[in-house]
Amino acid sequence: EPEVTQTPSHQVTQMGQEVILRCVPISNHLYFYWYRQILGQKVEFLVSFYNNEISEKSEIFDDQFSVERPDGSNFTLKIRSTKLEDSAMYFCASRTGRNTGELFFGEGSRLTVL
Amino acid sequence: GENVEQHPSTLSVQEGDSAVIKCTYSDSASNYFPWYKQELGKGPQLIIDIRSNVGEKKDQRIAVTLNKTAKHFSLHITETQPEDSAVYFCAASRGRDDKIIFGKGTRLHILP
Repeated sequence: EPEVTQTPSHQVTQMGQEVILRCVPISNHLYFYWYRQILGQKVEFLVSFYNNEISEKSEIFDDQFSVERPDGSNFTLKIRSTKLEDSAMYFCASRTGRNTGELFFGEGSRLTVL
Repeated sequence: GENVEQHPSTLSVQEGDSAVIKCTYSDSASNYFPWYKQELGKGPQLIIDIRSNVGEKKDQRIAVTLNKTAKHFSLHITETQPEDSAVYFCAASRGRDDKIIFGKGTRLHILP
């Protein structure tokens, strides 16, 4: 069964460092998302991406964040200068876009900022 | 924007009993209501969804109901089993290319 894959599964970084989280969405999907889940809390929307551009972003997704689909298969989330409060599980998700469609989530990348 | 409220935050039920989780939403334009199950260390997985042109949907032991007038929707799990223990999230979306907004989650414990 096709699945969304994310790397790394866990990354530890120093505050102020840049981090890139990578995702490979399901191949025939057209809409891509990043969500964040701080430990024990709800899953929060960060950004949606369609047709090679951001279609919507939340207040959390400030200038420190960026997304890219560099090669037609990978979908990346970059945090330019990490802060302690960026520590969370980051989930990539994708869907076909036909009607609404199920949102398929990856297993997540745990980011720990020290 | 959309706001989804979910209750209870924690629910413990005896194995074999039923569990009910309730959600409300604020945006009357929302028309798609999925429910996700999240097991420890994993990403959320869709277990059932309902669209606003339907009032109820059932899939084996799981059922969802939707009251569009009151902006309420609920998840019902019957004959609960140990493997039902997880965190359950309700969510709402306007559909098409719109984002999905999640509730805060319900941690369900199935007691032996």
